Amino acid sequence: QVQLVESGGGSVKSGGSLRLSCAVSGFTFSDYYMSWIRQAPGKGLEWVSHINNGGSNTYYADSVKGRFTISRDNAKNSLYLQMNSLRAEDTAVYYCARDDFRSGLFYAYWGQGTLVTVSS
Amino acid sequence: QSVLTQPPSVSAAPGQKVTISCSGSSSNIGNNYVSWYQQLPGAAPKLLIYDTNKRPSGIPDRFSGSKSGTSATLGIIGLQTGDEADYYCATWDNSLSVLRVFGGGTKLTVL
Repeated sequence: QVQLVESGGGSVKSGGSLRLSCAVSGFTFSDYYMSWIRQAPGKGLEWVSHINNGGSNTYYADSVKGRFTISRDNAKNSLYLQMNSLRAEDTAVYYCARDDFRSGLFYAYWGQGTLVTVSS
Repeated sequence: QSVLTQPPSVSAAPGQKVTISCSGSSSNIGNNYVSWYQQLPGAAPKLLIYDTNKRPSGIPDRFSGSKSGTSATLGIIGLQTGDEADYYCATWDNSLSVLRVFGGGTKLTVL
């Protein structure tokens, strides 16, 4: 079955860095675009970034552009999010999700999330 | 401030029906398909509706989706206490600066 497992979250001081990982199994990873989506405590979902299946095209929300870098290793079935210059407002649970398309985009599979806490 | 606008909360009694609206614009809902997600407390979101009105396997037909113009609607009939959760709409946005957007979420309370 499809599984996505995030890791790498934790507590970090403002200005610091973290690298999140998402290990996937149960599908051909290299066939799918992948996304990072976050949820601040008590808040709604926010798309952060996505990457095409080959890793050559990346897209970012304005709130993280220039600070976060999404990447993937198809040989390792893994997705990454390098987060630099972290701010308090980046505190959130970060989910990786598989991009699915039929007529439109949707997210059928999500990881369990990993919590990132940024303190000042 | 979310690009897609949802009511913060809705409520209804068990067995009744409820609708949750999601309002956008021509750059998102007006020209794209909508998906809906259910998030139980402490859990990851779960896909309920894709392509505006299609249900994945395993999602009961008590859940339905529709769209008119720049607004989408999630409908739930035969409410159960287990439906108490947060619900989010999502779609693609064609504007230059925003690619994928979510609604702010709606808390459903089953009284």
